[in-house]
Amino acid sequence: NAGVTQTPKFRVLKTGQSMTLLCAQDMNHEYMYWYRQDPGMGLRLIHYSVGEGTTAKGEVPDGYNVSRLKKQNFLLGLESAAPSQTSVYFCASSFASEADTQYFGPGTRLTVL
Amino acid sequence: GEDVEQSLFLSVREGDSSVINCTYTDSSSTYLYWYKQEPGAGLQLLTYIFSNMDMKQDQRLTVLLNKKDKHLSLRIADTQTGDSAIYFCAESYPSVFSGGYNKLIFGAGTRLAVHP
Repeated sequence: NAGVTQTPKFRVLKTGQSMTLLCAQDMNHEYMYWYRQDPGMGLRLIHYSVGEGTTAKGEVPDGYNVSRLKKQNFLLGLESAAPSQTSVYFCASSFASEADTQYFGPGTRLTVL
Repeated sequence: GEDVEQSLFLSVREGDSSVINCTYTDSSSTYLYWYKQEPGAGLQLLTYIFSNMDMKQDQRLTVLLNKKDKHLSLRIADTQTGDSAIYFCAESYPSVFSGGYNKLIFGAGTRLAVHP
């Protein structure tokens, strides 16, 4: 049981390049989330999914797209990276119940030059 | 609006107790959480408390909740160097208000430094 895994761990992009971050969970969780973490700030929700085939916007969705084609995977895409997207990205997952806690992946550190 | 605030730094001596404080604004929070983040790692759930409880103890960890003042604290007894990390307080916002998911509002994190 690996929990929540993320690939890649690190990435450096040039402005305008695109990339996809992959999140996988093996806990059969319905809900999955993408957050970004910036210095001196708490985690902010980018997008989330309440089930396979569904996605919804969080607090800071601009510049990102997501897809949830399989229950265990949640992809975060940057179509045209900008320096403001330099951040650490965390994926999380949980069961559907309000009482269920979110379990986090190890993070992806992205730098956009 | 929803907001969670924490002090940014705390320094303690090894063996002493650490108390990390958090205030929140939303009285409709159902659960409050403490997460730990070690350097270069993701967030690890430490403990959580349901909003109708005042206290929860789990080995070296004690969580106190003052609902009237909207204040949450985490006490770590006998603090060790391995406790050095960033500690995040988070409140769970009812899904009925947030479009169907258990929304978490995070504080900015408290960096705990443990010195000999």
